[in-house]
Amino acid sequence: EDKVVQSPLSLVVHEGDTVTLNCSYEVTNFRSLLWYKQEKKAPTFLFMLTSSGIEKKSGRLSSILVKKELFSILNITATQTGDSAIYLCAVDRGSEKLVFGKGTKLTVNP
Amino acid sequence: DAGVTQSPTHLIKTRGQHVTLRCSPISGHKSVSWYQQVLGQGPQFIFQYYEKEERGRGNFPDRFSARQFPNYSSELNVNALLLGDSALYLCASSLANWQSYEQYFGPGTRLTVT
Repeated sequence: EDKVVQSPLSLVVHEGDTVTLNCSYEVTNFRSLLWYKQEKKAPTFLFMLTSSGIEKKSGRLSSILVKKELFSILNITATQTGDSAIYLCAVDRGSEKLVFGKGTKLTVNP
Repeated sequence: DAGVTQSPTHLIKTRGQHVTLRCSPISGHKSVSWYQQVLGQGPQFIFQYYEKEERGRGNFPDRFSARQFPNYSSELNVNALLLGDSALYLCASSLANWQSYEQYFGPGTRLTVT
């Protein structure tokens, strides 16, 4: 059975801290791994990773995929209160069917 | 450019009733997928439609059905509603070509079954 596991499930930090969110997966026919940020309703697309070892960056956020070990990390540096959200990891099995983890709830306190 | 739109935003129904949820994809996107997100969980795949044909179905009962129209908009129908169907229903669209298949989500429809 396809499985995506995120850790930690919940994280509370102070503004300015750096956080690392983890996502491990066991799926058949892996095509890509996607990260989303969900604040109220709509998950907002952050990154799509297909190649191992290549870091993707967007401002203070970065992510990397390690295919050999079946995991990905999402880093957020110099966190701000606006980074408070649920971060979802999903794996695309090549059929447009995304398999999601439960998410990591990040709370950034001022 | 408008993103993915969904209607209604909120809905309250009684057990046994039927509901229809609607989704309009981003202009130019031909693939629409539906997901159910129960509180505290990640979204779960229900259906994927591409060019009006069902291309994928998740592990949901036959009470759930969907279709895609010629303009690529889509409807999700749920019959004989149960309390457990209460959830946020998300629609996602994508270009679904070899160059780009990132899925972009709409704001969702919050369904409450009482």
